[in-house]
Amino acid sequence: SQTIHQWPATLVQPVGSPLSLECTVEGTSNPNLYWYRQAAGRGLQLLFYSVGIGQISSEVPQNLSASRPQDRQFILSSKKLLLSDSGFYLCAWSRTVTATNEKLFFGSGTQLSVL
Amino acid sequence: GQSLEQPSEVTAVEGAIVQINCTYQTSGFYGLSWYQQHDGGAPTFLSYNALDGLEETGRFSSFLSRSDSYGYLLLQELQMKDSASYFCAVRPTGGGNKLTFGTGTQLKVEL
Repeated sequence: SQTIHQWPATLVQPVGSPLSLECTVEGTSNPNLYWYRQAAGRGLQLLFYSVGIGQISSEVPQNLSASRPQDRQFILSSKKLLLSDSGFYLCAWSRTVTATNEKLFFGSGTQLSVL
Repeated sequence: GQSLEQPSEVTAVEGAIVQINCTYQTSGFYGLSWYQQHDGGAPTFLSYNALDGLEETGRFSSFLSRSDSYGYLLLQELQMKDSASYFCAVRPTGGGNKLTFGTGTQLKVEL
């Protein structure tokens, strides 16, 4: 069976500090990988998605970057955090998407507070 | 661009039936999905409509009408554990593998 691991669960960081959130998927190969952010009580905003190693699509200009150094590893980074980067960050994966299969599997999320 | 609107909050009593609507403005998409998210948790997949009509999965059903740019999630025999946020989502045509989510509806189930 497939599993997705995301860590840490919670993180408190000062403004201006760097960030690294890691996500790994087990039990499948060549997954599509996604990073979403969710502000408190709000919807999910797609930040990055990747269809393969080194292939990253950025959806929103921002203070963040993503990398996919291995097939099942997706990393979200920032060199200098801003207060506005606070939120609930969710990693997700999917199989190759077809017209009849669009199911996303989400990790447990990271609650990031920038102070 | 894509826009999916949902009511922000719905309240219903245990055992009742509730419908959560999703209206959208998008140039084209492959299908309409629904996800459930409990407070502090991760979204989990509930249902997917590739075609117009009703899809039933246990107590949950989902409906899509492309001609009306409208869909809904129907929850029957409500239970307290159904209290959560519900999101509709679409994958726009020409948008690669991106899934765009709606604004979300918080469902509160009361005794």
